[in-house]
Amino acid sequence: SQQGEEDPQALSIQEGENATMNCSYKTSINNLQWYRQNSGRGLVHLILIRSNEREKHSGRLRVTLDTSKKSSSLLITASRAADTASYFCATDGYGGATNKLIFGTGTLLAVQP
Amino acid sequence: EAGVAQSPRYKIIEKRQSVAFWCNPISGHATLYWYQQILGQGPKLLIQFQNNGVVDDSQLPKDRFSAERLKGVDSTLKIQPAKLEDSAVYLCASSLGSWSNNEQFFGPGTRLTVL
Repeated sequence: SQQGEEDPQALSIQEGENATMNCSYKTSINNLQWYRQNSGRGLVHLILIRSNEREKHSGRLRVTLDTSKKSSSLLITASRAADTASYFCATDGYGGATNKLIFGTGTLLAVQP
Repeated sequence: EAGVAQSPRYKIIEKRQSVAFWCNPISGHATLYWYQQILGQGPKLLIQFQNNGVVDDSQLPKDRFSAERLKGVDSTLKIQPAKLEDSAVYLCASSLGSWSNNEQFFGPGTRLTVL
């Protein structure tokens, strides 16, 4: 079963705009990760945020985590056409030592040039 | 550094036939994963290996799916017999180890169509 639910399911924006997508999950976690998937490069790891962190930045990406609400958000600033992809959050699901990832349902982002 | 290799990239079979997928992980990665991704959904873990031992196969339909990782390197995933609902992309991933902050690296996947 899916652990996370992304919202919105689909998002269309213009190049240069910011894109925000949200993820909600159900159980305790050690960390939460965001992945991008497109036809050109497959599924690629973007960023990992630990359960004791609230915010993390990587280039144009900003991730927040609210463990009290069991939710996370991914912000992509100054979007480019190349950001067009599906974005998934993934949690480790156990709070344990394994690296099993449980993926959400994904947000399909379309960036119009 | 070479990435995770998978073959074939595409496979079309009739229901009740058998099919096998192959994965070669990144050199030195002890942990290997097989995921199933149905169209419109996120990947779902089928099985996780640590070296040549199974760590988690709780979501593997064991009546028809099998996987092995002989010698702790390459892995094969087999479906026998296939059903229509097995149509999906099968992704292989690897990581250095099985602790929870390890980044997983994914292969390009095998797209299976069952007719």
